[in-house]
Amino acid sequence: GAVVSQHPSRVICKSGTSVKIECRSLDFQATTMFWYRQFPKKSLMLMATSNEGSKATYEQGVEKDKFLINHASLTLSTLTVTSAHPEDSSFYICSARLTGEETQYFGPGTRLLVL
Amino acid sequence: AQSVTQPDIHITVSEGASLELRCNYSYGATPYLFWYVQSPGQGLQLLLKYFSGDTLVQGIKGFEAEFKRSQSSFNLRKPSVHWSDAAEYFCAVGHNYGQNFVFGPGTRLSVLP
Repeated sequence: GAVVSQHPSRVICKSGTSVKIECRSLDFQATTMFWYRQFPKKSLMLMATSNEGSKATYEQGVEKDKFLINHASLTLSTLTVTSAHPEDSSFYICSARLTGEETQYFGPGTRLLVL
Repeated sequence: AQSVTQPDIHITVSEGASLELRCNYSYGATPYLFWYVQSPGQGLQLLLKYFSGDTLVQGIKGFEAEFKRSQSSFNLRKPSVHWSDAAEYFCAVGHNYGQNFVFGPGTRLSVLP
């Protein structure tokens, strides 16, 4: 139980294009999902907290207009990287918190490469 | 502000040897404590968690961790390491339902045959 999927697992795009990453909780409902960014050999950096039916809460220094987050249902949150640039290349990981619990369950991550 | 430290950036052990990964946190109250493991290019898998009760918690893959309030520690242990345990290990602290985790910097474990 408590499986989280991400799609796509890796994506290559041209600079200036937008990329959408999906995060799904497959067997549970998640009121809250989180989006992280991880640089090589580094820990996870929280980008934003996504609550179903409301606006996401972004961490300081994260551009909300560049990283658009939508949490339209209890099982799906999307992260759209708009007008992507090479510096946006990274590993993006989402997590979902089981409603009523404190534990976060993580997706497998999405590797983004912007050329 | 709460913080999590993992003093060891990289640990190398021989297969079959015992393992202890250290985690210390800074937080005023009893936090929720977690250990996750990440294989290269993968997401994070929950190994175990502590919320309350017995301070020695058992997890998956033969791992256990002990919460020591006096030392603000939550060290991860395994009596006999397997080659497949080679990965990155993250300690995380949560607090106050609804708040996010704070992750430690991670410890990379290498296993010698």
